[in-house]
Amino acid sequence: AQKITQTQPGMFVQEKEAVTLDCTYDTSDPSYGLFWYKQPSSGEMIFLIYQGSYDQQNATEGRYSLNFQKARKSANLVISASQLGDSAMYFCAMRGVGGGSNYKLTFGKGTLLTVNP
Amino acid sequence: NAGVTQTPKFRVLKTGQSMTLLCAQDMNHEYMYWYRQDPGMGLRLIHYSVGEGTTAKGEVPDGYNVSRLKKQNFLLGLESAAPSQTSVYFCASSYTTFDTQANYGYTFGSGTRLTVV
Repeated sequence: AQKITQTQPGMFVQEKEAVTLDCTYDTSDPSYGLFWYKQPSSGEMIFLIYQGSYDQQNATEGRYSLNFQKARKSANLVISASQLGDSAMYFCAMRGVGGGSNYKLTFGKGTLLTVNP
Repeated sequence: NAGVTQTPKFRVLKTGQSMTLLCAQDMNHEYMYWYRQDPGMGLRLIHYSVGEGTTAKGEVPDGYNVSRLKKQNFLLGLESAAPSQTSVYFCASSYTTFDTQANYGYTFGSGTRLTVV
């Protein structure tokens, strides 16, 4: 079974500063994918970044980067130069590889990020 | 625009009433999913489908039924609604394999906010 743990229910950051949102995972699959999603107050799920378990380099997408530490089973999201529009709920998720239920995304409970001006 | 469409967006039910939530996708995705989101719980998988005519239980299937008679549609039914089913429901779809442009192509609908009184 796959499990995602996000230990920070809420985080605060000053505008223009960087912030790290924590995510640890547990799986017995040798191959898997890790995702981060943003959910603003409007409710939609917005894909941010993806990291494959065999990717040698940490994924980056604009101001978002994923600090992937495979041995520690962590996949932290780093947001650089925070903006007011980054205030939202952030979810870490995992997907296995293979057939059947492995295709589903398993989500953490989320971290509510508030960016202060 | 291509994507996942959920109907209705809002609904209030009385305890014991039934209803069906409709999810439609136009991306030719094989896999479709129904999640529920509750405060502090993240997104939890209710049921999923790996293809037309096939469905399977997820993490929290009790009280729900699903059907996938057509590849593009995935229906979630509540036969006898209970207050515990008050939640935001998300439908999602994805490819079966990795795509370099879209990862696995997970696409979420905008959600249905259901209140059972």
